[in-house]
Amino acid sequence: DIVLTQSPASLAVSLGQRATISCRASESVDSYGNSFMHWYQQKPGQPPKLLIYRASNLESGIPARFSGSGSRTDFTLTINPVEADDVATYYCQQSNEDPYTFGGGTKLEIK
Amino acid sequence: DVQLQESGPGLVKPSQSLSLTCTVTGYSITSDYAWNWIRQFPGNKLEWMGYISYSGSTSYNPSLKSRISITRDTSKNQFFLQLNSVTTEDTATYYCARGYDDGFAYWGQGTLVTVSA
Repeated sequence: DIVLTQSPASLAVSLGQRATISCRASESVDSYGNSFMHWYQQKPGQPPKLLIYRASNLESGIPARFSGSGSRTDFTLTINPVEADDVATYYCQQSNEDPYTFGGGTKLEIK
Repeated sequence: DVQLQESGPGLVKPSQSLSLTCTVTGYSITSDYAWNWIRQFPGNKLEWMGYISYSGSTSYNPSLKSRISITRDTSKNQFFLQLNSVTTEDTATYYCARGYDDGFAYWGQGTLVTVSA
């Protein structure tokens, strides 16, 4: 199985500043010129919400404050600027190889 | 608008089978995509369990392969999860979700299943 390691496990960012979350895969999640890495936001009591698909594509309806980058084994989710509503846990997920796997999550708080 | 809704018992006894239904509205499960079951354990770890595709093919997480079955009723636009021989470690919130290569864009609200005697 592809193991996804997120860092940090938690971070506190001031309103209006940048938040950066990393996801490292145990092997490449690239195929056919695409990186099959996706990012989700989850708030308590809600299902995860897709933010970014295929590493850098913004899902419909998601604010442009969210962006994704990376390839092969190293990926980044950036939130800039951070707003109060962004308090949540963020997960990466790969769909390049069966079984699909998720990272352990990064909890974002406001400083 | 695409909506998914899980239903089923909230309490299952150890060694019994867990059965859940996902009812989909706003999109036919035979049109496209994979229709997935994903669970989230206490402590928030997420695990993909498996899917049934629009064509009816299935794929399961090898960690569950001997215990899991995903089927569907196309006339009702529903798909189902059966997990056999459950233990307390199967206690989790179970989600159904639509997606495949582009991530899981649509999720149900989730249903908590507790395995306890």
